[in-house]
Amino acid sequence: GENVEQHPSTLSVQEGDSAVIKCTYSDSASNYFPWYKQELGKRPQLIIDIRSNVGEKKDQRIAVTLNKTAKHFSLHITETQPEDSAVYFCAASKNFNKFYFGSGTKLNVKP
Amino acid sequence: EAGVVQSPRYKIIEKKQPVAFWCNPISGHNTLYWYLQNLGQGPELLIRYENEEAVDDSQLPKDRFSAERLKGVDSTLKIQPAELGDSAVYLCASSPGQSPDTQYFGPGTRLTVL
Repeated sequence: GENVEQHPSTLSVQEGDSAVIKCTYSDSASNYFPWYKQELGKRPQLIIDIRSNVGEKKDQRIAVTLNKTAKHFSLHITETQPEDSAVYFCAASKNFNKFYFGSGTKLNVKP
Repeated sequence: EAGVVQSPRYKIIEKKQPVAFWCNPISGHNTLYWYLQNLGQGPELLIRYENEEAVDDSQLPKDRFSAERLKGVDSTLKIQPAELGDSAVYLCASSPGQSPDTQYFGPGTRLTVL
């Protein structure tokens, strides 16, 4: 099956700085890669996703890049704000069936 | 549009007791997932339904866990008997069953087994 690894496990940045979270996957057939944000005690919420036919996708301060050859994808958050503080999960899926999640990155944005 | 609804939100039981969790997916969503999330970890799939059919239950510990999705809408996940190691958050998610087919999570049920 698929194996998704996520790094770093914790990330602390100053407000206004950028944050980058990286994930690798093992199954080259995976073709859909969502990112979820989970605030303490709340449900995971989709913040951005990318499909395997696209190399990069951007939504305001959030962007995701995908390198299919290297089998890794990254989340980029620019101009971080304290409300960006949360746990972020990456996931990989083949044809939207089974989703495999990374272990999460706890992002702390210091004001 | 209402989101995925789960109940109860919190449950505390003693080991060896039974427990059940309920999930109401987003209206019209054919696919329903149950996940287990341990503290500090990502969700792990327990079972996936397409309508009323369980299409992937390979990660469900069938000796103590069971699930059903009667009529292809609401779903119930049961543990009997519960063990200390079952303490976790149980997340339900649903997706529309068409492209794009991402999933939407419920708030989860936090289970504590004493």
